[in-house]
Amino acid sequence: AQSVTQPDIHITVSEGASLELRCNYSYGATPYLFWYVQSPGQGLQLLLKYFSGDTLVQGIKGFEAEFKRSQSSFNLRKPSVHWSDAAEYFCAVEGGQGNLIFGKGTKLSVKP
Amino acid sequence: NAGVTQTPKFQVLKTGQSMTLQCAQDMNHNSMYWYRQDPGMGLRLIYYSASEGTTDKGEVPNGYNVSRLNKREFSLRLESAAPSQTSVYFCASSLNRGFLTEAFFGQGTRLTVV
Repeated sequence: AQSVTQPDIHITVSEGASLELRCNYSYGATPYLFWYVQSPGQGLQLLLKYFSGDTLVQGIKGFEAEFKRSQSSFNLRKPSVHWSDAAEYFCAVEGGQGNLIFGKGTKLSVKP
Repeated sequence: NAGVTQTPKFQVLKTGQSMTLQCAQDMNHNSMYWYRQDPGMGLRLIYYSASEGTTDKGEVPNGYNVSRLNKREFSLRLESAAPSQTSVYFCASSLNRGFLTEAFFGQGTRLTVV
């Protein structure tokens, strides 16, 4: 069965530092992968998505993610974090039956 | 441009009461979804509707029913609320089934069952 693992429940980084959020997936075929961000009290917003082709995808707000088939990973990165990036981040894989399968999320805190 | 609108935003129910969560989208999307979000659990799919007139169970359908009223509206009904249904509920829509295009989420309904 498809699944998504986000190993880090909570990460704290200093403002201006780089960020990498980890995501590992389990899926038999070529996966469709997504990263969403959720600010407190808000719904989810799509940051970026991978369907095929170039394994490095660019998203909104300066985020990027790299698909690595050999490692079954789709890690999210940002070169310089801003205080406004503090939020919860969810990795997801399209489940093949009209649904998204989400990881349990990584909460990002940003130190001034 | 409203996107996906959920009502109500907050609700407190007593055990055994019933209620319907409403969801409407104005993007002419074909697919609509109901998820619940619980701390440390991510989002889990309750039901989805790939197109008007069809609905399918997701991962956690027990205790819920849905209606795809028309292309715009997809409601979630709790017939006899239980404390285990305390959660934040999100409605989402996408142009096609399977999230092959971007999915848009509503702001959520925070439900407490006492």
